[in-house]
Amino acid sequence: DVVMTQTPPSLSVAIGQSVSISCKSSQSLVASDKNTYLNWLLQSPGRSPKRLIYQVSKLDSGVPDRFSGSGSEKDFTLKISRVEAEDLGVYYCLQGTHLPLTFGSGTKLEIK
Amino acid sequence: EVQLVESGEGLVQPGSSMKLSCVASGFTFSNYGMNWIRQAPKKGLEWIALIYYDSSSKYYADSVKGRFTISRDNSKNTLYLEMNSLRSEDTAMYYCAKWDSGALDYWGQGVMVTVSS
Repeated sequence: DVVMTQTPPSLSVAIGQSVSISCKSSQSLVASDKNTYLNWLLQSPGRSPKRLIYQVSKLDSGVPDRFSGSGSEKDFTLKISRVEAEDLGVYYCLQGTHLPLTFGSGTKLEIK
Repeated sequence: EVQLVESGEGLVQPGSSMKLSCVASGFTFSNYGMNWIRQAPKKGLEWIALIYYDSSSKYYADSVKGRFTISRDNSKNTLYLEMNSLRSEDTAMYYCAKWDSGALDYWGQGVMVTVSS
């Protein structure tokens, strides 16, 4: 199984600051079709997860452009510029290239 | 608007069975693979099963293989998860999620399954 190592486990930031979350996979996430199926999800408190970014860097509809994803092969980053209060929750990376699908362990973002 | 609504929540004893349902709307259900994912209390997310759009292939996590069965009825826009030989470690919130191009793009609100004597 592909292990997704996500860091840091938690972050506490002030409104307006920027943060980065790292996700490293134990295997390349480049699929046979040449796409890289690395996703970022946000689980807001008491809610189900919501996808923010797919295929490394493509933003879902309605996701602010303060969010950006980057990376390749086995090393990926989610960046949130100018954090807002609504951004709090737990962020997960998810690889969809290999079965079983696997998630990172999550990063809890708190607002100072 | 895509909607996924799970049902079947409950408290059961170890060793018993339970069936969850997920009714889909807002997209052509029969065109997409579907998944079940669970989240134990205060824990992270665990994928447990995937079924192709036409039920031609099904995949399971090792933790549930042989005990859980994923199925679907495209005429009813409904996904199912039949869970047998339930254990305390199966206690979790269970989510259904739509599969599209290597991603879980829409999730249901989840249902709680508690396995306890």
